Amino acid sequence: QVQLVESGGGEVQPGRSLRLSCAASGFTFSSYGIHWVRQAPGKGLEWVAVISYDGGRNYYADSVNGRFTISRDNSKNTVYLQMNSLRPEDTAVYYCAKEVYSSGWPPVGYFDYWGQGNLVTVSS
Amino acid sequence: DIQMTQSPSSLSASVGDRVTITCQASQHINNYLNWYQHKPGKAPKLLIYDASRLGTGVPSRFSGSGSGTDFTFTISSLQPEDIATYYCQQYYNLPLTFGPGTNVDIK
Repeated sequence: QVQLVESGGGEVQPGRSLRLSCAASGFTFSSYGIHWVRQAPGKGLEWVAVISYDGGRNYYADSVNGRFTISRDNSKNTVYLQMNSLRPEDTAVYYCAKEVYSSGWPPVGYFDYWGQGNLVTVSS
Repeated sequence: DIQMTQSPSSLSASVGDRVTITCQASQHINNYLNWYQHKPGKAPKLLIYDASRLGTGVPSRFSGSGSGTDFTFTISSLQPEDIATYYCQQYYNLPLTFGPGTNVDIK
């Protein structure tokens, strides 16, 4: 069955970096775009970034553009989110999510499977 | 960016009641609109896609309608397991955007 498992979260000081991983299984990973979506405490869902099936294209929310980098290693069935210059407002549960359809670019833009989420806390 | 609004922000209804949530986009998005259910500590679940198509394995008491800028999500007969926050999400273009959510509770 399809599984997405996030890891790498934790507590970090403002201005520092953290890298999240999303390990996938149960589907042809190299055929699907993958997204990151986050939820700050007490807030709603916020889309963060997407990477194409082959890693050749990506797109970011304005709130993280220039600070976060999404990448993937199809040989390891893993997507990464490198988060630099972290701010307290980046505190959230981060979810990775799989695109519904195997497609190129632009992404389809919605998700049939999500991970369980990984908490990132940015605090001094 | 396309802004999504939802109303109400929260509601409380009795088991068996019909529940309706509305979602409005700041610009025309055809039918590129999804509805997700999110329970605390769980991954969000896709309920409705393309504004009105039922997701895989989703009970038929859930439905969606609308096109353009105005959309509606309905639970025809509220069940205890439907307690959750519901979000609309547009995928007309990037960046993808979600509505602020509607908390649904049992009266």
